Amino acid sequence: DAGVIQSPRHEVTEMGQEVTLRCKPISGHDYLFWYRQTMMRGLELLIYFNNNVPIDDSGMPEDRFSAKMPNASFSTLKIQPSEPRDSAVYFCASSSRDEKLFFGSGTQLSVL
Amino acid sequence: AQTVTQSQPEMSVQEAETVTLSCTYDTSENNYYLFWYKQPPSRQMILVIRQEAYKQQNATENRFSVNFQKAAKSFSLKISDSQLGDTAMYFCAFIPRNYGGSQGNLIFGKGTKLSVKP
Repeated sequence: DAGVIQSPRHEVTEMGQEVTLRCKPISGHDYLFWYRQTMMRGLELLIYFNNNVPIDDSGMPEDRFSAKMPNASFSTLKIQPSEPRDSAVYFCASSSRDEKLFFGSGTQLSVL
Repeated sequence: AQTVTQSQPEMSVQEAETVTLSCTYDTSENNYYLFWYKQPPSRQMILVIRQEAYKQQNATENRFSVNFQKAAKSFSLKISDSQLGDTAMYFCAFIPRNYGGSQGNLIFGKGTKLSVKP
């Protein structure tokens, strides 16, 4: 298996633009997580899905953030409109019931 | 609230030596998992080792081992025979586990930056 695949690896955009981050989890994993990493706050859980259903989105900062998982092999995290304070590394991770989370390489987002 | 504390922001070790990274956590849960993740400059988050709280035996993975003290809520990572490739940020993490399912929220410490010097 190729592991968790995220795209793009880097994203530079201007304030106010829509940003879409993509994730393909490991086949067979039924949990998918979106994390954000910043120097100030470390790693924070934004949202996670179980069997494509959002279970906990309490970490989503505000209504500008939305996440979807239309099927077991694909998820998106969308920010609209983006703001400079959204600049961070966004990680997608997946796991099965054994609790071992496997992370993608992350998307470095820079909002100018 | 459940928290994970790593009290050593930075550490360094000479190649081939042994180093121990500290981690403490706070929870009222009795059933949970603990992890150490490594994040090298490439940014990839790599699972190093996992410990199940109900197991008394300390987990080991090659040169990596843990000292799990449940009563003290302590979970330290020992790296033996340190290699240059071990240079990375190391994150301690905790996840509570309910019977039959996962709470889902892997809670991370702030990390310890380890530098292995030749």
